[in-house]
Amino acid sequence: GENVEQHPSTLSVQEGDSAVIKCTYSDSASNYFPWYKQELGKGPQLIIDIRSNVGEKKDQRIAVTLNKTAKHFSLHITETQPEDSAVYFCAANAAGNKLTFGGGTRVLVKP
Amino acid sequence: DSGVTQTPKHLITATGQRVTLRCSPRSGDLSVYWYQQSLDQGLQFLIQYYNGEERAKGNILERFSAQQFPDLHSELNLSSLELGDSALYFCASSITVRDEKLFFGSGTQLSVL
Repeated sequence: GENVEQHPSTLSVQEGDSAVIKCTYSDSASNYFPWYKQELGKGPQLIIDIRSNVGEKKDQRIAVTLNKTAKHFSLHITETQPEDSAVYFCAANAAGNKLTFGGGTRVLVKP
Repeated sequence: DSGVTQTPKHLITATGQRVTLRCSPRSGDLSVYWYQQSLDQGLQFLIQYYNGEERAKGNILERFSAQQFPDLHSELNLSSLELGDSALYFCASSITVRDEKLFFGSGTQLSVL
C-alpha cells in the first residue's frame, strides 16, 4: 500500500519568513495530493490540493509543488503569520485507493 | 465550520464499556469516513460508507463497528473498550465515493480510564 513520509515533524519560523514542509510517497500510481491544516481543538481542514497532471498550484500565500519523478511534494507558506501556527498533514492516494496521511508537521510562527 | 457535526465532543468511560459516536455529514455529501487520531499514530483510516453501504475498511478492530443510516448520518460503535482506544475520533464527509476533498468534523475525544 501507499506510504507517505512527512518532514520535518516540527518547524519553528519567525513571523514573515517562509515555511516549507516536504512529503514523499511510495505508490507511483498516486494522483491526488491534498494538504490539511489542523488547529488546536479542531478537525483537519483542507487548504490546498493538487493532482498529478499539475506541477504547481498556488492560493494566496500557500503553494504546493509536485515532482512525480522523485515522488515528492511540498507545501510552501510565504509571509507566515501567527494564525498559520497549526499542525499540517500531507496525504496521497491513487484512484480507487484510500487516502494515506503523513505523520504531520507542527508549525509554530513566532511573533 | 466544515458543516460536519460530531457528538459528543468529549466522552469519558471505563474499560470494558461500549460507546457510540455520532456523525452528521455536510448536506449533500454521500460518503462518510471515520478516522482515529492518536499521538503516536497520526490519522488512521477506519471505515468508509457511501450512500448507506460499507465502501472500504481500514485498520478497524473487530470490537468496532459502524453504520450509515438512510438519512446519511453515521454512528461508530466501540465495544469492550481498552485503555489503548483512548484517542480523537474524526468523522469526515465528501460528495463522492473517492477520497477527495474530505471535510472533517471537530472530533470526539474518547478517554478510557
